[in-house]
Amino acid sequence: NAGVMQNPRHLVRRRGQEARLRCSPMKGHSHVYWYRQLPEEGLKFMVYLQKENIIDESGMPKERFSAEFPKEGPSILRIQQVVRGDSAAYFCASSPPGWLDYEQYFGPGTRLTVT
Amino acid sequence: GQQVMQIPQYQHVQEGEDFTTYCNSSTTLSNIQWYKQRPGGHPVFLIQLVKSGEVKKQKRLTFQFGEAKKNSSLHITATQTTDVGTYFCAGLWNAGNMLTFGGGTRLMVKP
Repeated sequence: NAGVMQNPRHLVRRRGQEARLRCSPMKGHSHVYWYRQLPEEGLKFMVYLQKENIIDESGMPKERFSAEFPKEGPSILRIQQVVRGDSAAYFCASSPPGWLDYEQYFGPGTRLTVT
Repeated sequence: GQQVMQIPQYQHVQEGEDFTTYCNSSTTLSNIQWYKQRPGGHPVFLIQLVKSGEVKKQKRLTFQFGEAKKNSSLHITATQTTDVGTYFCAGLWNAGNMLTFGGGTRLMVKP
């Protein structure tokens, strides 16, 4: 059973470009979470999704950031018009359907660098 | 919003010394989870505590959940260089809420 997959692992974008980060949850998992981690800092929750639904996006910046988890395919975190402050590691995690107190399985992360 | 405070932020120890990190919530938690993130890696689940006063052990690691379910601790006995990393606690207040991560404690072990 493959773990949570994220790609790309490293992404370099110039200011103003778009960044698309992909996450494939573990097989059988229907809950997907996105977190951002700045260098030497903790994990900041961004958004929680189930298939075709955004359940909680309280941690998402109001502008430029969006997320989706379509019926088919991976979850996508999209950052438009990136700025230097968007440089961070973005982790996706997944958990099984049911209660939210299941452990979360994290992917390897995407390290985004904005130049 | 609800927060989990974690201390200390950093800890340097000599190999063989013990290490403890603490998490505190101002309100009662439903459960608490602990994760470890190695340098350059991703968080990995260690354990979940649910019951008041619960104590669980994993080899040299001891996890405790306070009687009031407002605090938790992770204690490592006789640290090794393989223990290096950042330890996060993550709290849940009830089944309808999101898991909220503490700021993490970064452990550095000097050989």
